[in-house]
Amino acid sequence: DVKVTQSSRYLVKRTGEKVFLECVQDMDHENMFWYRQDPGLGLRLIYFSYDVKMKEKGDIPEGYSVSREKKERFSLILESASTNQTSMYLCASSFLRDYQINIQYFGAGTRLSVL
Amino acid sequence: GQNIDQPTEMTATEGAIVQINCTYQTSGFNGLFWYQQHAGEAPTFLSYNVLDGLEEKGRFSSFLSRSKGYSYLLLKELQMKDSASYLCAVMDSNYQLIWGAGTKLIIKP
Repeated sequence: DVKVTQSSRYLVKRTGEKVFLECVQDMDHENMFWYRQDPGLGLRLIYFSYDVKMKEKGDIPEGYSVSREKKERFSLILESASTNQTSMYLCASSFLRDYQINIQYFGAGTRLSVL
Repeated sequence: GQNIDQPTEMTATEGAIVQINCTYQTSGFNGLFWYQQHAGEAPTFLSYNVLDGLEEKGRFSSFLSRSKGYSYLLLKELQMKDSASYLCAVMDSNYQLIWGAGTKLIIKP
């Protein structure tokens, strides 16, 4: 079974803190994604990566950055946390397949509260 | 803009059948996905449709009409464990997933 592991299930941080959310997958997937999930909204893509040291902005990258130093690990960084970044953060991974079913596998999520 | 619409919440009875609808307007179409998400857990893949018609997988079936921009997920013989949110997502021309807000399904005994 594919396993996507997020380092924390719950985090409480203060405004202005630098926050690291870690995600590791064990299926040798090329693609990795960071989403945020808020009530009443669909998942929104923050950043994604197709390869080591490669990153692409998603729909809502402002206030976030990412790092992918190893294929299995994709980190989301909040440089200076703000209260509007309180949310559920979901990491996902998938194979790089342009013409086949591109199923994304998700971690259990990190619920971040910024006070 | 791109838009995925699905009902916010539905209620059904154990043992019954429920149909969850999803309509979409996206820039390009490379398939439609249904995911299940139990409260506090990761979304998990249920089904994928890229051609028109019905795909059946056990108690769950998914239907697609590309000309109408419409899909539904059909759940038969409902069980209490089917209580979850069901997420509809469309892969656009850039192979990115556009997500609906999800339908919370409540199963009553």
